[in-house]
Amino acid sequence: GNSVTQMEGPVTLSEEAFLTINCTYTATGYPSLFWYVQYPGEGLQLLLKATKADDKGSNKGFEATYRKETTSFHLEKGSVQVSDSAVYFCALSGDRGSTLGRLYFGRGTQLTVWP
Amino acid sequence: DGGITQSPKYLFRKEGQNVTLSCEQNLNHDAMYWYRQDPGQGLRLIYYSQIVNDFQKGDIAEGYSVSREKKESFPLTVTSAQKNPTAFYLCASSIAGMDNQPQHFGDGTRLSIL
Repeated sequence: GNSVTQMEGPVTLSEEAFLTINCTYTATGYPSLFWYVQYPGEGLQLLLKATKADDKGSNKGFEATYRKETTSFHLEKGSVQVSDSAVYFCALSGDRGSTLGRLYFGRGTQLTVWP
Repeated sequence: DGGITQSPKYLFRKEGQNVTLSCEQNLNHDAMYWYRQDPGQGLRLIYYSQIVNDFQKGDIAEGYSVSREKKESFPLTVTSAQKNPTAFYLCASSIAGMDNQPQHFGDGTRLSIL
């Protein structure tokens, strides 16, 4: 079946530190992979996506590369800001039958950045 | 601006009462989804619909019901059979039939028990 395992938080960093949030997945077929971000009291916003192996998604300084050989999609940012404090979710999309388009989410990682 | 509107933002339920959460979208999306979010558990799928007048159970459908009479609307009813309804509920929509399209989310409804 499809599932996502995400690095447990919380993660606490100082401003300008390097960020990595690990995400690995199990899937049948060739899913698309997503990172979403959730700010307090809000819904989820798409941060970036990758739809095939070796694709790199990027947005707002965040990057993640679809690694089929290691079934991973780790999120990275070279220099975090206080405004990056949020919960980050890794997700994969089912690619066939009744699962087509369904998203399977990790548990989320809380990031707090201190000035 | 296109988007998803969830209402109300906060909702309180008395014991034995059914409550309905509203979700409306003007993105012209065929597919719509309801998720439940509990602290530390990520998002769990309750129901989803790929087309009008059709919907499927997700992973935690017990105690919930939905309807999809219009493309724009996908209301969720939390019935009295749901014994632990306190949670943050999120509605989402997407282009149907494709796995590489992201889901767009509303701002959620927080349901609490009185």
